[in-house]
Amino acid sequence: TQLLEQSPQFLSIQEGENLTVYCNSSSVFSSLQWYRQEPGEGPVLLVTVVTGGEVKKLKRLTFQFGDARKDSSLHITAAQPGDTGLYLCAGDYNTNAGKSTFGDGTTLTVKP
Amino acid sequence: DADVTQTPRNRITKTGKRIMLECSQTKGHDRMYWYRQDPGLGLRLIYYSFDVKDINKGEISDGYSVSRQAQAKFSLSLESAIPNQTALYFCATSETGTGEKLFFGSGTQLSVL
Repeated sequence: TQLLEQSPQFLSIQEGENLTVYCNSSSVFSSLQWYRQEPGEGPVLLVTVVTGGEVKKLKRLTFQFGDARKDSSLHITAAQPGDTGLYLCAGDYNTNAGKSTFGDGTTLTVKP
Repeated sequence: DADVTQTPRNRITKTGKRIMLECSQTKGHDRMYWYRQDPGLGLRLIYYSFDVKDINKGEISDGYSVSRQAQAKFSLSLESAIPNQTALYFCATSETGTGEKLFFGSGTQLSVL
């Protein structure tokens, strides 16, 4: 079974602060996705990274894929209360295998 | 209208009862999935289907069965529910060849007493 570790598990910060969430595995990903989930809803896809060293930006969110494709990070600049939610990373270890392995998630709370 | 619709949204049942959770999608995707979410354990794959004639077990399929009635419909059954099947269940879809970009329904909260 492939393991995908996310850290931290919980994060509580004040509005305006920056934060980084990490996703690590001992195995190589063929692709990695980040999702955000709000209470009472299903996860919503934020980004997919495929190439080692890739950096993608989505407004105040910056996603990095490690050079070896074993790790990824999500950095949020100037967090806002609307960023509050559960952030999940999910990795695909075999191209087009059709199965994603999810991390346990990071619960982010941004206080006004 | 939601692209991936799950029914019911909430269900309370008793131990030993048979339960069916339904999922339908209007995205036209070939692939459909059932996941289970427990606090602190992320999402775990129960079953997945790449087309109508293809059904595969995920990492936690024991105690569950599925049926792919059509490209757009994928149902999950608990033949004899037990309390440790209390969880939040999600149906998801993806399009073949796009990598594992999953589109989720809003979930079904199941409680087994």
